Amino acid sequence: QVQLQESGPGLVKPSETLSLTCTVSGDSINSSSYFWGWIRQPPGKGLEWIGSIYYTGSTYYNPSLKSRVTISGDPSKNQFSLKLSSATAADTAVYYCARRPYSGGYFAYWGQGTLVTVSS
Amino acid sequence: DIQLTQSPSFLSASVGDRVTITCRTSQGISGYLAWYQQKPGKAPNLLIYATSTLQSGVPSRFGGSGSWTEFTLTISSLQPEDFATYYCQQLNSYPHTFGQGTRLEIK
Repeated sequence: QVQLQESGPGLVKPSETLSLTCTVSGDSINSSSYFWGWIRQPPGKGLEWIGSIYYTGSTYYNPSLKSRVTISGDPSKNQFSLKLSSATAADTAVYYCARRPYSGGYFAYWGQGTLVTVSS
Repeated sequence: DIQLTQSPSFLSASVGDRVTITCRTSQGISGYLAWYQQKPGKAPNLLIYATSTLQSGVPSRFGGSGSWTEFTLTISSLQPEDFATYYCQQLNSYPHTFGQGTRLEIK
């Protein structure tokens, strides 16, 4: 059974870079069968897809965040990461990592989520 | 970007009721539409994918249908554990947008 776990600082100062890591167990991020993605949810609001990475290193970003987002993978640790630069209060959210099948239109496995607050 | 609009945004219903939530897309999509249920403090849980395919382990009272720009999630007989917020998501093209959510509450 695949499991995903987000980790990283819960508090980030405005203008700094928000950095999170998703550790995957029970599967390999080097698998050609899946995309690995990040989704966020501001408190009390809806879900926003941030971006995804494929094992080849190809990345796909939400245009609304593209200038600030970097998603990368570390197969040696079976982790993938999110960096969001120039953070503002609007980036305060629960951040989820999730897995999507290559040929499937859905995210079936999600991490539990981690709250990141952007505040001085 | 493909915009998804769910209706209603809020729904009050009773145990045993049949409810339908609609998700309309701003452009036609080829069926890569998923439905999720989310309870407070929890990650979304996949219910339906590819418009109408029930995810393993999801009760059969949940059903999905639709095509092109209009999709529906139906719960045939509400159970107490179904009161939650529901989201649709399209994965037909990037960015993989979500609907704004439908909050289902007990009447």
